Amino acid sequence: DVKVTQSSRYLVKRTGEKVFLECVQDMDHENMFWYRQDPGLGLRLIYFSYDVKMKEKGDIPEGYSVSREKKERFSLILESASTNQTSMYLCASRGGLQSEQYFGPGTRLTVT
Amino acid sequence: LAKTTQPISMDSYEGQEVNITCSHNNIATNDYITWYQQFPSQGPRFIIQGYKTKVTNEVASLFIPADRKSSTLSLPRVSLSDTAVYYCLVGPLYNQGGKLIFGQGTELSVKP
Repeated sequence: DVKVTQSSRYLVKRTGEKVFLECVQDMDHENMFWYRQDPGLGLRLIYFSYDVKMKEKGDIPEGYSVSREKKERFSLILESASTNQTSMYLCASRGGLQSEQYFGPGTRLTVT
Repeated sequence: LAKTTQPISMDSYEGQEVNITCSHNNIATNDYITWYQQFPSQGPRFIIQGYKTKVTNEVASLFIPADRKSSTLSLPRVSLSDTAVYYCLVGPLYNQGGKLIFGQGTELSVKP
């Protein structure tokens, strides 16, 4: 079974802090994604990566950056957290010749 | 990218067949239709995918008319454990990164 793990299930940070969300997948997938999920808005794509050190902006990249130094790990970075970044963050991965995305359990981030 | 429209919520009873329709008027020629299921506090999980006509697996069926401007997810004989949010996605199958759009989803409530 594909396993996608995220570093924390729950996280509380203060406004202005730098926040790192880590995601690791164990299936050697080329593609990895970061989404945020908010009530009434569904899932929205923040960034994705289709190879090591490669990244592309999704629909809502403002206020976020990403890092992919190794194939199995994709990090989402909030350079200076703000209260409007309080959300559920979901990581996903997908193999190069697959269409199905495998999601992690999510990190519920609260910025106070 | 094609936008999708689904009912916000649906109610059903155990043992009934549930049909959830998704509208995607601007679907492109190379777009596929994919459905995901999400339980509370979990990431979404792939259910089914299709391009045209009908696709069936052990979980659900997917009906796509000839014009492909809509699709219907059919869940046979639902149980309480099928209570979840169901997302309809439209996008290319193998493009780099996979720019899929998650709409608001349909919250299905199955009652005893």
